[in-house]
Amino acid sequence: AQSVTQLDSQVPVFEEAPVELRCNYSSSVSVYLFWYVQYPNQGLQLLLKYLSGSTLVKGINGFEAEFNKSQTSFHLRKPSVHISDTAEYFCAVSGNGNEKLTFGTGTRLTIIP
Amino acid sequence: DAGVTQSPTHLIKTRGQQVTLRCSPISGHKSVSWYQQVLGQGPQFIFQYYEKEERGRGNFPDRFSARQFPNYSSELNVNALLLGDSALYLCASSLAGGQAYEQYFGPGTRLTVT
Repeated sequence: AQSVTQLDSQVPVFEEAPVELRCNYSSSVSVYLFWYVQYPNQGLQLLLKYLSGSTLVKGINGFEAEFNKSQTSFHLRKPSVHISDTAEYFCAVSGNGNEKLTFGTGTRLTIIP
Repeated sequence: DAGVTQSPTHLIKTRGQQVTLRCSPISGHKSVSWYQQVLGQGPQFIFQYYEKEERGRGNFPDRFSARQFPNYSSELNVNALLLGDSALYLCASSLAGGQAYEQYFGPGTRLTVT
């Protein structure tokens, strides 16, 4: 079984400042890792994914994440945030050859003008 | 191309009633998954269907059931509704089942049980 921990439920950041949203996972098998964004009253949109290969993955909207197997982490980063990045961010994991996604509890990113 | 569509957008039901939620996947996608997102939490996996067969089931009671049709659309049924079933129900589709292909989510159906 897999699990995901997002320690920060809320992260306030000033506009144009960098941000890191933390994600740790646990799994007994090889995993695939994902970050999704959810804007108010909308569904989920995939930001980026790690399946294999390079541990630094780049996604949409200027976001990137680094897979660290030894620390079982997949933190999301952006060098300069904008008001439009205000949303809920979910880290998710799947593995063992199935598509079931296990999500974290989410991090609400609030951009301060 | 149209994304994943879900209907209805919102609905309100009374405890004990039954509800059916519908999902149309992206054209060409054969796998559909359902998730429940309670307010303030991450989505929880309910079912996955691929080629009309159930491929996975989450930790939900038997009141929850689903099916997939020959055109790959899907329905989620919930019987004997409880207040705790109030949530956003998300449908996701992908090209194939059994591998970590990218899943595309619909806008969800917000169910309120009173």
